Amino acid sequence: EAGVAQSPRYKIIEKRQSVAFWCNPISGHATLYWYQQILGQGPKLLIQFQNNGVVDDSQLPKDRFSAERLKGVDSTLKIQPAKLEDSAVYLCASSFRDSTDTQYFGPGTRLTVL
Amino acid sequence: RKEVEQDPGPFNVPEGATVAFNCTYSNSASQSFFWYRQDCRKEPKLLMSVYSSGNEDGRFTAQLNRASQYISLLIRDSKLSDSATYLCVVNTGNTGGFKTIFGAGTRLFVKA
Repeated sequence: EAGVAQSPRYKIIEKRQSVAFWCNPISGHATLYWYQQILGQGPKLLIQFQNNGVVDDSQLPKDRFSAERLKGVDSTLKIQPAKLEDSAVYLCASSFRDSTDTQYFGPGTRLTVL
Repeated sequence: RKEVEQDPGPFNVPEGATVAFNCTYSNSASQSFFWYRQDCRKEPKLLMSVYSSGNEDGRFTAQLNRASQYISLLIRDSKLSDSATYLCVVNTGNTGGFKTIFGAGTRLFVKA
């Protein structure tokens, strides 16, 4: 069974530029998560989708971050404009029903903002 | 107070040692709990779920104490390969939606 796919794996941009990340969850998984993990910290949930509806986006900085999950399958996360403090690993995860199920993580996208 | 707190460590232990980590949570309505393992520069992976009655998987034992609002992870007979960061996860909510919170992680180094 294929795991969670993410691209790109690495991205370097300058501050104030825009960037987008893509995630394809495990087939059949209803819930998709985007996390931000800053070095030395645990993953912080940015947004959680169940099918194509948003369950929780309370920690998403909506002035610069946006995410969508069209057709309830793959998802994109965008940052516009990027700030230095956005440098982090962006992890995508999926689970079969909701967050009471095991979350399977993709390899992440390592973003560096210069 | 953070919603989920872990001792960041690092814990440095010799092979064969027993080591225990605790994780405290602030919301008494939290409903499900997990331990994930994260190797350096890798993604987190589920280690085990934490049940009210406690659960054991080989050398690993997880327990939940709802009265004191903490979960624990015990590793017996530590191996070099156990060196990693251990993340506790707490879910709060209901069938309308669950909020997932990860702790900052506890780093473990097992030495030969």
